[in-house]
Amino acid sequence: DIVMTQSPDSLAVSLGERATVNCRSSQTIVHRSNNENSLAWYQQKPGQPPKLIIYWASTRVSGVPDRFNGSGSGTEFTLTISSLQAEDVGLYYCQQYYNDPLTFGEGTKVEIK
Amino acid sequence: EVQLVESGGGLVQPGRSLRLSCVASGFTSADYAMAWLRQAPGKGLEWVGYIRDRSFGGTSEYAASVKGRFSISRDDSKGIAYLQMNSLQTEDTGVYYCTREALTDIRFFDYWGQGTPVTVSS
Repeated sequence: DIVMTQSPDSLAVSLGERATVNCRSSQTIVHRSNNENSLAWYQQKPGQPPKLIIYWASTRVSGVPDRFNGSGSGTEFTLTISSLQAEDVGLYYCQQYYNDPLTFGEGTKVEIK
Repeated sequence: EVQLVESGGGLVQPGRSLRLSCVASGFTSADYAMAWLRQAPGKGLEWVGYIRDRSFGGTSEYAASVKGRFSISRDDSKGIAYLQMNSLQTEDTGVYYCTREALTDIRFFDYWGQGTPVTVSS
């Protein structure tokens, strides 16, 4: 199984400042169909289901603010919120969809400092 | 508008069975693989399994933790996906989400239901 490791477990950032969440996969996850990294990011707010925000490691879902950016390659990936807003508070999960079993990181809690 | 609505959750004793349903609307569910994921209280996300769409034979795959106990089926005429859970264990407790695969045979999930809670306890 591919193990997804996120860091940090939690972070507190001031409004308007940058928040960075890291995700590491235990092996490379380049999809055979398009040579893209098979990595998605989800945002989960309290009491709500997760919401897809990034896929193919860096493709933003339509409607997601452009302050959310995904990057990375190989086994190291990053979700960056360039200017943290109050509504961005929540849990963030990475997921690999390279192969079964589909696996998620443990989550990173983003809070306002 | 795409919607996924789960139902069927509740309190069940260990060893018993439960069937969850997921009603899809706003899209042709027959053209999409559907997946179930779960989240234990205060924990992260865990993939449970998925069922492929008809063009891929409608076959299913499962996480090792549920294989042989859980099964996923679908009724495309009604737009419903099911998760049959047998021999439930306390560690199966959590919120169960029905999701839709965003792209054919590419397993990330663009729509999620609100979830239905399952509690396995004596």
